[in-house]
Amino acid sequence: LAKTTQPISMDSYEGQEVNITCSHNNIATNDYITWYQQFPSQGPRFIIQGYKTKVTNEVASLFIPADRKSSTLSLPRVSLSDTAVYYCLVVISSGSARQLTFGSGTQLTVLP
Amino acid sequence: DVKVTQSSRYLVKRTGEKVFLECVQDMDHENMFWYRQDPGLGLRLIYFSYDVKMKEKGDIPEGYSVSREKKERFSLILESASTNQTSMYLCASSSPFRLAATDTQYFGPGTRLTVL
Repeated sequence: LAKTTQPISMDSYEGQEVNITCSHNNIATNDYITWYQQFPSQGPRFIIQGYKTKVTNEVASLFIPADRKSSTLSLPRVSLSDTAVYYCLVVISSGSARQLTFGSGTQLTVLP
Repeated sequence: DVKVTQSSRYLVKRTGEKVFLECVQDMDHENMFWYRQDPGLGLRLIYFSYDVKMKEKGDIPEGYSVSREKKERFSLILESASTNQTSMYLCASSSPFRLAATDTQYFGPGTRLTVL
C-alpha cells in the first residue's frame, strides 16, 4: 500500500508560523487524519485531528483539502518548546486492505 | 490522568535470547498496539490487539509474537532476538474503533532495546 510522505526536517525561528504537510494518496474515505507530537525520550502525543476543511484547537490548526490527499499542520507563533518530531497518522486503504500508517516524521527545530 | 507504562526504558540482550516487552494501560482501552521506531522510518506497526486473546499482524510482524491474556496488558515477544531488532519499541492503547486513525492513541515512554 502507498505510504505517507512528510518532509524530514524543518527549521524555524521563534514567533513564526510553521506549516508541515503530509501527503497520503490512498487515504481511506471515511477515516480521520491525526497528528502527533513527540519529544525526545517520550512517546508521541495527540495534537489535533480532522476529517476535512479546517480544524483548530488551542495549539494548532489542521488544513485538509477537498480531495484529502494531503493535510497541513499549522503551528502559530512557535516557541523553543515546540521543537519536536511531528507525525501524521492516517488509514491507507486499497481494496479491502486497510493499513494504519504513520508518516516518517518531521523534525521541527525552533531557533531563538 | 491516562497512563501507559512499559516494563523497561532500556534493555540490552544478546543474539538468540528470548525477549519479553511488557505494556500495561490503566484506561480500560480495548485496543493495544506495538510499534517499532527507527530513524527515518517513523513508527511501524508490529502487532495490534482489539480484545483479550485477539491479535492481528501489522506491517512488520516477522520475528515477533504477542500475547494479550488480560485487557490491560499486552506483551511483545522476540522469540530469538537478532541485531536487526535493535530499536525503540513503543506501546499504545486506544478506544473504541478498530484500526481507525480517529481514535486517540496514548503511548508509553518506549523501550530502547539493544541486541548485541
